[in-house]
This record gives sequence, C-alpha cells and structure tokens, in this order.
Amino acid sequence: NAGVTQTPKFQVLKTGQSMTLQCAQDMNHNSMYWYRQDPGMGLRLIYYSASEGTTDKGEVPNGYNVSRLNKREFSLRLESAAPSQTSVYFCASLGGYTFGSGTRLTVV
Amino acid sequence: GESVGLHLPTLSVQEGDNSIINCAYSNSASDYFIWYKQESGKGPQFIIDIRSNMDKRQGQRVTVLLNKTVKHLSLQIAATQPGDSAVYFCAETANAGGTSYGKLTFGQGTILTVHP
Repeated sequence: NAGVTQTPKFQVLKTGQSMTLQCAQDMNHNSMYWYRQDPGMGLRLIYYSASEGTTDKGEVPNGYNVSRLNKREFSLRLESAAPSQTSVYFCASLGGYTFGSGTRLTVV
Repeated sequence: GESVGLHLPTLSVQEGDNSIINCAYSNSASDYFIWYKQESGKGPQFIIDIRSNMDKRQGQRVTVLLNKTVKHLSLQIAATQPGDSAVYFCAETANAGGTSYGKLTFGQGTILTVHP
C-alpha cells in the first residue's frame, strides 16, 4: 500500500539509551519530516528534509539527529534518550500531505 | 518564534449542524495553509488546503476560508456527522511550491465533538 511507514510503533527506553526511528515512503516524494506530538499539543517539527541529500532543523532539534538515507527513507536518531523525549513521533512526506501512523516512545 | 494558534480548544455540535473551526496565524510570510483531522491514536489526515492567492476553497462538505488581512483561517464542515469527531489542526508554511516544501508549523488543535 502506498504511504508512509514508520517503525517501531511502540518503544520503551531507559534514560541514556539510544535508538533510531525508521520512516519510509513509496510515493516518490522529495520532502520528508519528523514531528513530535505531546499530550494535548499540536505537532512540533524536529527536522525536515526538503529533498534527498539535505536536512534542516525544525523547532525542537536538540537531542535528535536525522539521516536522509535515500529518497525513500528518513530516519530519526536519539543518541541518549531523556524522559523529556517521551512523546508520539510522526513522520510525514510532501509538506505533510501524508503522515505515518506514529511511534509511541516512552523514556523511563 | 512565530506560531499558529487556535481560538477555541473545544467545540461541541449536534449531528447535522454546521461546524466552524478557527485558526489565527502570525507569520505574514505564510503562503500555504492546510487543515488536518486527527482521530485518537492515528496520524493527522489531510482534509483541505489553500494557497495565499485564494480566499476560499471548497471540498466535499468542507470549506476553508482565508483572510490574510487579519491572518485568520477557518474550516467549515457542513452537516456535521459523528464520524467528524476528532481533533482538527491548522498548519502553515511560508515557502510551499514545486515539489519540495519547507517547514510546516502546526497550531494547537480544536477538539470537535459531534453529538447524535
């Protein structure tokens, strides 16, 4: 099925652990995005990639890194997880036309 | 930094009524706006968009109005149904166009509840 696929759907980390959230789209879109959504809040942009080979910081980039591996894939990495990074993470493509189903991350 | 905000955090309507959800934006350079619907446990779903060279755009049961003078955006849902119950977000970007997009900034959201 065409769309944005995120993995994993759920994850629990201990403080200081690292992990990578994966995102892939099969719609040949240039632009991809990572957002986080906290309870009762809107989505805040972490990083985005306007096109393959480029990445830029969004509103809340601290504590995160990204890699635009190719046109399809855009990964988000937490090098040393903190409780403040407990959130739901969404990947999107083409200016937000299509969103993934989200990754629920809990850092204890 | 600049942000997009909503006037009303919650809206309750009866089935069959028309709903209006409002959004204020502060970035005068914004030239592209999107409305999303988000149901519990799901990612945002694109509803309708509008560019700054338009004042109004209609979709199926939805209409988006843009007033650039007062930096205001609204989403009108006609004949609201229980399935329309969700959180609605507006979002804006200042450099949309072509096949590559820039930052997309979201508002806080309005919870729409439709009573049968």
